[in-house]
Amino acid sequence: EIVLTQSPGTLSLSPGERATLSCRASQSVSTAYFAWYQQKPGQAPRLLIYGASSRTAGIPDRFSGSGSGTDFTLTISRLEPEDFAVYYCQQYGSSPYTFGQGTKLEIK
Amino acid sequence: EVQLVQSGAEVKKPGESLRISCKGSGYSFTSYWITWVRQMPGKGLEWMGKIDPADSQIYYSPSLQHHLTLSVDKSISTAYLQWSSLKASDTAMYYCARQDFDHWYFDLWGRGTLVTVSS
Repeated sequence: EIVLTQSPGTLSLSPGERATLSCRASQSVSTAYFAWYQQKPGQAPRLLIYGASSRTAGIPDRFSGSGSGTDFTLTISRLEPEDFAVYYCQQYGSSPYTFGQGTKLEIK
Repeated sequence: EVQLVQSGAEVKKPGESLRISCKGSGYSFTSYWITWVRQMPGKGLEWMGKIDPADSQIYYSPSLQHHLTLSVDKSISTAYLQWSSLKASDTAMYYCARQDFDHWYFDLWGRGTLVTVSS
């Protein structure tokens, strides 16, 4: 099983700032099968990024994904108030599919 | 509208059985897997398994496969997650999601079904 470790656990930033979220895999993950999700309280997760760097339709271009192998990054260039949420990375190329434990992005 | 509609919240006792549902609409139901994800209270996301609505082929997470059953009725575009004997540790929110056949990502999610197991 591929273990995904996200850092930091909590990130405190202000609107307008840049957020950088990291996800490290216990073994190499194909970029084709790596995603980022956003989850707000009381809501289902929402797919933001798939294939490590492709944005889902309707996701603002302030969200970007990068990385390969074992290290992946989600960057939010300028935080908007609606971006404060929990973010999960996921690999879906090797069964069982696994998620990171989440990074909570909170307002400073 | 393209959506997955899940059945309502359930409160059960340990040892009871339960089946929850996930109905797809607005798209070709047999053209995507239905995958299930568990979220225990205050915790992260855990993949449980997936089913191909076209032929009912199933893949389970090894850690959960002995405790649950996935099924589908493609005639009514509905997938099911079933337990024969619930435990208190099954208390969680359960999400179904659509999984793309070509790219495998989970691009459409239901709102979740909250299952509470308590004596």
